Amino acid sequence: DIQMTQSPSTLSASVGDRVTITCRASQSVSSWLAWYQQRPGKAPRLLIYKASSLESGVSLRFSGSGFGTDFTLTISSLQPDDFATYYCQQYKTYSTFGQGTKLEI
Amino acid sequence: QLQMQESGPGLVRPSETLSLTCSVSGGSISGSSYYWGWIRQPPGKGLEWIGSIFHSGNTYYNPSLNSRVHISVDTSQNQFSLDLSAVTAADTALYSCARHSLQPGTYDIWGQGTMVTVSS
Repeated sequence: DIQMTQSPSTLSASVGDRVTITCRASQSVSSWLAWYQQRPGKAPRLLIYKASSLESGVSLRFSGSGFGTDFTLTISSLQPDDFATYYCQQYKTYSTFGQGTKLEI
Repeated sequence: QLQMQESGPGLVRPSETLSLTCSVSGGSISGSSYYWGWIRQPPGKGLEWIGSIFHSGNTYYNPSLNSRVHISVDTSQNQFSLDLSAVTAADTALYSCARHSLQPGTYDIWGQGTMVTVSS
């Protein structure tokens, strides 16, 4: 199994801040890494795929980077709607998710 | 616009089989190159992929659940189903169906999910 570890588990920030969430894989997943946003009571929303490709309709304030085992999701100029939980997902071998990062005000 | 909707019992007794169906509207399961998956989320916890199916019937299961999972597709009804046998309290979760274009792949359309509690 490929294990995905996100940090931090909780992140406190303010509107307008720039934040970065990290995801580390237990072995290389190449660029097969995605990021999702989940608001309370809602289904996850795909933000980034192939580590750095922005899903259609997603704000340019979201960006992803990384390769192999270390990845980051950066959100520039936080907006009120951005406060949610973020998950990374590897899809190189089967599919596994990180434990989530809760972004709170 | 394609939509997905889960249905099934909200309460299942320990050792029994959990059975859920995902109905797809606004698009055809059989007329596409997409895969159709099940993902669960225990209360307050992260996401776990359960398994996926292609319209041809090819299935792909999470190795940790492989012995208890069966996914099937009914293209005439435009739906696919999940059976999870010998459930325990650890199987209590929000179960969601989702579409993905590769196997494995990313999930671009999700159902709202249905909460299943395992309890006597």
